[in-house]
Amino acid sequence: GENVEQHPSTLSVQEGDSAVIKCTYSDSASNYFPWYKQELGKGPQLIIDIRSNVGEKKDQRIAVTLNKTAKHFSLHITETQPEDSAVYFCAASRVGYQKVTFGTGTKLQVIP
Amino acid sequence: EAGVAQSPRYKIIEKRQSVAFWCNPISGHATLYWYQQILGQGPKLLIQFQNNGVVDDSQLPKDRFSAERLKGVDSTLKIQPAKLEDSAVYLCASSSPGLAGAGKYFGPGTRLTVT
Repeated sequence: GENVEQHPSTLSVQEGDSAVIKCTYSDSASNYFPWYKQELGKGPQLIIDIRSNVGEKKDQRIAVTLNKTAKHFSLHITETQPEDSAVYFCAASRVGYQKVTFGTGTKLQVIP
Repeated sequence: EAGVAQSPRYKIIEKRQSVAFWCNPISGHATLYWYQQILGQGPKLLIQFQNNGVVDDSQLPKDRFSAERLKGVDSTLKIQPAKLEDSAVYLCASSSPGLAGAGKYFGPGTRLTVT
């Protein structure tokens, strides 16, 4: 089955700096990669996703990149704000399959 | 649009006791999932329903866990008897059929503590 590894497990950045979270996956058939943000006491919330036919996708201060050859994908948050503080999960799955394998999470702390 | 509702939000039980969780998905969402999230880990799928049929329960410990989704709407997840290692947050999610992961909405979860 699919295995998703995520690094780092914790990340502290100063407000206004950028944050980068990296993930690798094992199943070459995976072609859909969502990212979730989980705030304390809440369920995960989808923030951005990317399909394997696209190398990069951007939504305001958030961007995802995908290197399908290396089986790497990353989340980039620019101009971080205190409200970006949360746990972020990467995930991988195949289009048409609802099963999603999650990474282990990155706790991001943005220091004002 | 109302989100995924779950209850209770918190539950503390002793080992070997039974517990049940309830989930009401977003209206019109045919697919419903139960995830287990152990502290410090990502969610792990326990069971997936499509309407009232089970699509995937390969990671559900069937000797103690059971789930049902009568009438293809609400769902209950039961643990009987509970073990210490069942302490976790149990998340319910729902989505429309189609693109995997997309449109998947999670509820706030039920935090279970087994003592």
